[in-house]
Amino acid sequence: GAGVSQSPSNKVTEKGKDVELRCDPISGHTALYWYRQSLGQGLEFLIYFQGNSAPDKSGLPSDRFSAERTGGSVSTLTIQRTQQEDSAVYLCASSLWGSGLGYGYTFGSGTRLTVV
Amino acid sequence: KQEVTQIPAALSVPEGENLVLNCSFTDSAIYNLQWFRQDPGKGLTSLLLIQSSQREQTSGRLNASLDKSSGRSTLYIAASQPGDSATYLCAVPATGNEKLTFGTGTRLTIIP
Repeated sequence: GAGVSQSPSNKVTEKGKDVELRCDPISGHTALYWYRQSLGQGLEFLIYFQGNSAPDKSGLPSDRFSAERTGGSVSTLTIQRTQQEDSAVYLCASSLWGSGLGYGYTFGSGTRLTVV
Repeated sequence: KQEVTQIPAALSVPEGENLVLNCSFTDSAIYNLQWFRQDPGKGLTSLLLIQSSQREQTSGRLNASLDKSSGRSTLYIAASQPGDSATYLCAVPATGNEKLTFGTGTRLTIIP
C-alpha cells in the first residue's frame, strides 16, 4: 500500500482481556518495527522484524506481549491479560531494508489502546 | 549507548518567522538521521532523512543539516505557519542494531 496501515485506530478493552493490533507495512518493505508511546512519554521500542523473523524482541515488556509477522507482510501484536499500564499508543513502522542499511522509517498512524 | 537530546524542549514563535531546532547525539557512528513531526494524538510523519555521507537535505520550507563529527543536526523552518505547530523529533539508528533512538522532542507552537 501507499503507507503503513494500522488497525484498529482506537481500542478500548477491559482489564484482563486479550487484544490484537494489526500493522500492514508498505509493500516490499522487509523491516517492520513496533513502538509504543505512553501519555507524555517518548517512544519505546518493542520488537523488530526482518522478513518473518524477529532478530530483536528485547523491548517486549513482559511475556504477555507477543508479535508475529506472516508472509513478510502483515504483523500482529498481541497483548494478553491486558493491564491498565498497557494503555498507550502503539506505533508500527516499516523500512525498505532497515535503518542499519541507511533506509528511513515510515510510521503508521498508530492504535490508541485504553485499558479500563 | 546512544543518547539523543533536543533543544529547546518547547518553542513559541510568531507566524512568518524563521526558526531552528537542534538535535545532538553522543555516538557519531550513525548511518543516518531522520526528522519527524508528531501532531497531538497522531503517529509520526517523516520530514527528512539525511544519510551519514550527506551534509544537508531540503524539502520545501524545511532544511536539515548534519554534522557527524560534532554530533549535531539542525532543522531549519522558513517562514513558519500555524500548521507547523507540532512536536518535532529527531532519531538515529542505534549502533549495531535496528532500533531508532529518539530525541526528547521540541514542541513548536506558531502564533498566528
